[in-house]
Amino acid sequence: DTGVSQDPRHKITKRGQNVTFRCDPISEHNRLYWYRQTLGQGPEFLTYFQNEAQLEKSRLLSDRFSAERPKGSFSTLEIQRTEQGDSAMYLCASSEDQYSGYTFGSGTRLTVV
Amino acid sequence: AQSVSQHNHHVILSEAASLELGCNYSYGGTVNLFWYVQYPGQHLQLLLKYFSGDPLVKGIKGFEAEFIKSKFSFNLRKPSVQWSDTAEYFCAVNAPYSSASKIIFGSGTRLSIRP
Repeated sequence: DTGVSQDPRHKITKRGQNVTFRCDPISEHNRLYWYRQTLGQGPEFLTYFQNEAQLEKSRLLSDRFSAERPKGSFSTLEIQRTEQGDSAMYLCASSEDQYSGYTFGSGTRLTVV
Repeated sequence: AQSVSQHNHHVILSEAASLELGCNYSYGGTVNLFWYVQYPGQHLQLLLKYFSGDPLVKGIKGFEAEFIKSKFSFNLRKPSVQWSDTAEYFCAVNAPYSSASKIIFGSGTRLSIRP
């Protein structure tokens, strides 16, 4: 499979727990993006990596959220002390450069109960 | 910072009807423009994109979009829709030469096609 892979597909967690999601981008793509999508809304930008460097982080992102891309390949997104408002679809995308459209993964649906 | 507006939240059409979904963006510099589609239960897919050149862009499945710079618009069109076009459509923009070059998405338009 040469697409963007995300794991897990679904995650249900209790409020206050920590969760971590993984994204494996297309191998030739050096840019990796995390977005969040809630029902009836478009994807909202969270953060962006070029290789292993995190170049941009949304101001809307609280410090409970952290992302890494340690070797410039896969990336993880961690949410600490989850809140019900964190319930959403978390999308990962990758691209070759800033001129290309993104290839999206299927997303991880997080439900905080 | 750039932003995108999609004014139609939900459009309902009969098969064979013509489609036009509106998209306006705000940014004064050079932009790349995109339309993405999300079929029920599937992930976002790129429908078409505009970078430069001919402002009329043709995409997959018979879709096209026209970039009108003076109106800051990038409307999506299809002459005759099919039931299989039922999906959510997102217009998106990025500013490739700015320091913040990520793609910004509109809120989406849900398209329902009556068979």
